Amino acid sequence: NAGVTQTPKFRVLKTGQSMTLLCAQDMNHEYMYWYRQDPGMGLRLIHYSVGEGTTAKGEVPDGYNVSRLKKQNFLLGLESAAPSQTSVYFCASRRQGVSSDGEKLFFGSGTQLSVL
Amino acid sequence: SQQGEEDPQALSIQEGENATMNCSYKTSINNLQWYRQNSGRGLVHLILIRSNEREKHSGRLRVTLDTSKKSSSLLITASRAADTASYFCATIQGAQKLVFGQGTRLTINP
Repeated sequence: NAGVTQTPKFRVLKTGQSMTLLCAQDMNHEYMYWYRQDPGMGLRLIHYSVGEGTTAKGEVPDGYNVSRLKKQNFLLGLESAAPSQTSVYFCASRRQGVSSDGEKLFFGSGTQLSVL
Repeated sequence: SQQGEEDPQALSIQEGENATMNCSYKTSINNLQWYRQNSGRGLVHLILIRSNEREKHSGRLRVTLDTSKKSSSLLITASRAADTASYFCATIQGAQKLVFGQGTRLTINP
């Protein structure tokens, strides 16, 4: 049981390049999230999904796209990377509904992205 | 916008002392959660307190919630070097979005 797995762990891009970050969870969770973490800014929500085939915008969605074609996977795409997108990206998932542990998030270990 | 705001931003104490971190939030909540993040790692859930609870314990952790003041505190008793980490509070906006504060960076000195 791997939990939440993010690939890749590190990536360096040049301005204007594109890439996709993959998040996979094996806990059959309905909800999945993409956050970015910058020094002094805490975690900011980029996009999230409440189920297969659905996506929604978070606090800072500009410059990113997402897809949830399969329940276990949530992809984050950067179509034309910019230096402002240099950050650490975290994926997280949780169960649907209210239960003793249904509202807690399970996080991946992060992807460190640098855009030069 | 950040829902939770932690205070202090950084805290340094001696091993064995107690550490207290505070969180303030802006809107009504169903629950408030605390997470820990070790350097270079993802966040790990510590404890959840519901809006109808005032205090909750888990091992050396004690969380309080004051909904009238829209604030929560996390107390770590008898701190250890392994408690060195950043601690975040988080609340749910709407039904699905979990929004985090900026965190408190805790350093335990041996």
